[in-house]
Amino acid sequence: GAVVSQHPSWVICKSGTSVKIECRSLDFQATTMFWYRQFPKQSLMLMATSNEGSKATYEQGVEKDKFLINHASLTLSTLTVTSAHPEDSSFYICSVPGQGSYEQYFGPGTRLTVT
Amino acid sequence: GESVGLHLPTLSVQEGDNSIINCAYSNSASDYFIWYKQESGKGPQFIIDIRSNMDKRQGQRVTVLLNKTVKHLSLQIAATQPGDSAVYFCAEKKGNNDMRFGAGTRLTVKP
Repeated sequence: GAVVSQHPSWVICKSGTSVKIECRSLDFQATTMFWYRQFPKQSLMLMATSNEGSKATYEQGVEKDKFLINHASLTLSTLTVTSAHPEDSSFYICSVPGQGSYEQYFGPGTRLTVT
Repeated sequence: GESVGLHLPTLSVQEGDNSIINCAYSNSASDYFIWYKQESGKGPQFIIDIRSNMDKRQGQRVTVLLNKTVKHLSLQIAATQPGDSAVYFCAEKKGNNDMRFGAGTRLTVKP
């Protein structure tokens, strides 16, 4: 399956600042990547679908101006949390679809803490 | 809206016993179901999957059962080991649509 990495693995930032999280597909070209958010003791919630060369598709209730997604290449998607607030503190996970329509490979996640 | 959910939020078993984790889904159009294991601070790890045209699939120490009549999915882990302690999520998918996750069950294996 695809190998997916995320950087950084954890980050602490101050309220009002912006943080960029990278998701890389190391051995597989991905025209689509998914971004999930997971609060403590909760499930993964899909935030948006990142599309290479076009705009991301956001789930209902996710502010596109706050969570900026850039899918600049077939191996890299970035999620930027702008003007971060403490309530944005969460575990952010990206995933890459496999070659089959059903497969999906997840990154190790990024722990964001906003102070 | 339609969703995927779990019956039990926590499950504690003795090492060596069998574990059964349940999941109820409501989207009858879903055609693919997956079980993931997530250890603390890590991303989900694929365990086993099953397509809607099947009712049982076995892997190494794990079995997934699908009952479409009652929209129920279960994960059975044989001879549970301490390394199996984690949160387990079921997920559903319909065609090329994105994957939706259930609430998760925390499995604790007591030595």
